[in-house]
Amino acid sequence: KQEVTQIPAALSVPEGENLVLNCSFTDSAIYNLQWFRQDPGKGLTSLLLIQSSQREQTSGRLNASLDKSSGRSTLYIAASQPGDSATYLCAVGSSYKLIFGSGTRLLVRP
Amino acid sequence: SAVISQKPSRDICQRGTSLTIQCQVDSQVTMMFWYRQQPGQSLTLIATANQGSEATYESGFVIDKFPISRPNLTFSTLTVSNMSPEDSSIYLCSVEYGGANYGYTFGSGTRLTVV
Repeated sequence: KQEVTQIPAALSVPEGENLVLNCSFTDSAIYNLQWFRQDPGKGLTSLLLIQSSQREQTSGRLNASLDKSSGRSTLYIAASQPGDSATYLCAVGSSYKLIFGSGTRLLVRP
Repeated sequence: SAVISQKPSRDICQRGTSLTIQCQVDSQVTMMFWYRQQPGQSLTLIATANQGSEATYESGFVIDKFPISRPNLTFSTLTVSNMSPEDSSIYLCSVEYGGANYGYTFGSGTRLTVV
């Protein structure tokens, strides 16, 4: 059974800092991995999608990597801003459904 | 990727009543998914809905409590039946999009409070 873990559960950083969020999964037989952002009480916004054949994806200040063999993904946020404050969810696509991690709650302090 | 319109965005309901949540997609999709996010928790898949067939429910979820309709390739509803305060959650629908960049997109969610 696929299990997805995210570390840390919460993170508070000063504005401008570069930071890394971690995601690990137990079964390497995945179709893809997606990183989402969720603002309080809201739905999910897709940030980056990495197919199983890819190693990384970049969008603006965000970079996500995928290492299937070790069951790990990282989301790198450069030059963090207060507007980046949200919960970040990692989700693994396998067997035609998504399995979510428990999320990292990020606070970027001005 | 597809765009999903989900409604209502939020509701406050009395225990024992039912609420139906709707999701409309701007393109035809084969599979639609319904998730629940309990307070402070991550998302859990409730069921997968294919057009023209019964929904497939995950362990811990039953059709009597969460009946789902999928009348066509662009629309689905989830009903939360005989509600109790424990059903207070955010409910989200999702669709997969195909092609070279296969992935998932989500509706904006329905925030349900049962009193």
